[in-house]
Amino acid sequence: DGGITQSPKYLFRKEGQNVTLSCEQNLNHDAMYWYRQDPGQGLRLIYYSQIVNDFQKGDIAEGYSVSREKKESFPLTVTSAQKNPTAFYLCASSTPQDREKLFFGSGTQLSVL
Amino acid sequence: QKEVEQDPGPLSVPEGAIVSLNCTYSNSAFQYFMWYRQYSRKGPELLMYTYSSGNKEDGRFTAQVDKSSKYISLFIRDSQPSDSATYLCAMSAGYSSASKIIFGSGTRLSIRP
Repeated sequence: DGGITQSPKYLFRKEGQNVTLSCEQNLNHDAMYWYRQDPGQGLRLIYYSQIVNDFQKGDIAEGYSVSREKKESFPLTVTSAQKNPTAFYLCASSTPQDREKLFFGSGTQLSVL
Repeated sequence: QKEVEQDPGPLSVPEGAIVSLNCTYSNSAFQYFMWYRQYSRKGPELLMYTYSSGNKEDGRFTAQVDKSSKYISLFIRDSQPSDSATYLCAMSAGYSSASKIIFGSGTRLSIRP
């Protein structure tokens, strides 16, 4: 079955630690995105990538980094510079023709120890 | 003022009732209007997608867009307990980048058996 796989489902970060969230898709979509969801707030865009080896900052990119070395993979690193990382992180993908029709993974809940 | 406003609820209705969920927005450039359904601790899934004004029906779901009032609605007929979820409205001006998709904060819906 085609879809987006995010791992791990739960992740804990210690102070000063960088952590990486995995996102893999087998939908053959060119575009991939990372969103952050906080309770009572809408989804906020962290980074997005329209093609391999290219990505752009979203609205809240500070303290995060990404890479897009393969079409299928778009990992997100939450760095120690992100002072409030506790949130639900969602990876999504779309085709160039239907950019508004996002396919989401099942999310990663990141918490600070 | 947020670009997209959505009542967070929670909204609780008995099984079989008609549910009305709404969002207002301020950006008159929005042309694409979406409704996503999100079950607890899962990724959102696209439920309805509308371009410009008018109505769109899909089974028990009807999406309405009134661009003159900057108001969109989602109606659920014959509501079922399985409809209990958070419903996110989203909209876009349709520029080349999906960074312009703006999400509402979501309405939590509960259908009582």
